[in-house]
Amino acid sequence: EVQLVESGGGLVKPGGSLRLSCAASGFSFSSYAMNWVRQAPGKGLEWVSSITSSSTYRYYADSMKGRFTISRDNAKNSLYLHMSSLSAEDTAVYYCARDCTNSVCYDYWGQGTLVTVSS
Amino acid sequence: SYVLTQPPSVSVAPGQTTGITCGGDNIGTKSVHWYQQKPGQAPVLVVYDDSDRPSGIPERFSASNSGNTATLTISRVEVGDEADYYCQVWDRSSYQYVFGTGTKVTVL
Repeated sequence: EVQLVESGGGLVKPGGSLRLSCAASGFSFSSYAMNWVRQAPGKGLEWVSSITSSSTYRYYADSMKGRFTISRDNAKNSLYLHMSSLSAEDTAVYYCARDCTNSVCYDYWGQGTLVTVSS
Repeated sequence: SYVLTQPPSVSVAPGQTTGITCGGDNIGTKSVHWYQQKPGQAPVLVVYDDSDRPSGIPERFSASNSGNTATLTISRVEVGDEADYYCQVWDRSSYQYVFGTGTKVTVL
């Protein structure tokens, strides 16, 4: 069974940093591109970042470039998102999601981890 | 950047059919994916590559994509279909994924 479990969320002050993790199991993690998607309270889905299976390519939403860094450790079946210079606008549930096998969709999602940026 | 526009809400009676549109510039040239999200839950993929359904998704969910509009159609709507629905594409020109603004489907 495919499982994605996010962790690392919490309360952080404006300007602070945080690292999110996503532990994957039930599939060959090193074969799939992975993604982060966020959802602010009461708002829609917003793509954050994606990374190819061997970390060759990393993509970021314009509003996250320079502040967020996506990475992965295939030996540990883990995906990460390092976030810095956080502001209240970054308050959201952050989901990790697996790329579809043969398409650029997301077929499995974690349950999300809440990041709250507040003083 | 590429923008996908959806109606904020749609209401439908049980047993009826409803459509959710997703508008974007020449969206017909892109592959469109649709997600269902119920309150407090993670999104679920219901249609990928314009019109294909993942295993376990009922045939009541169908979709099409042409010109500047993609459409998700839910037939024989059930109370359990009440959720937010999002379209998504990969914008190759900017190397970015884009989600639609989302549509809340209310089953009356």
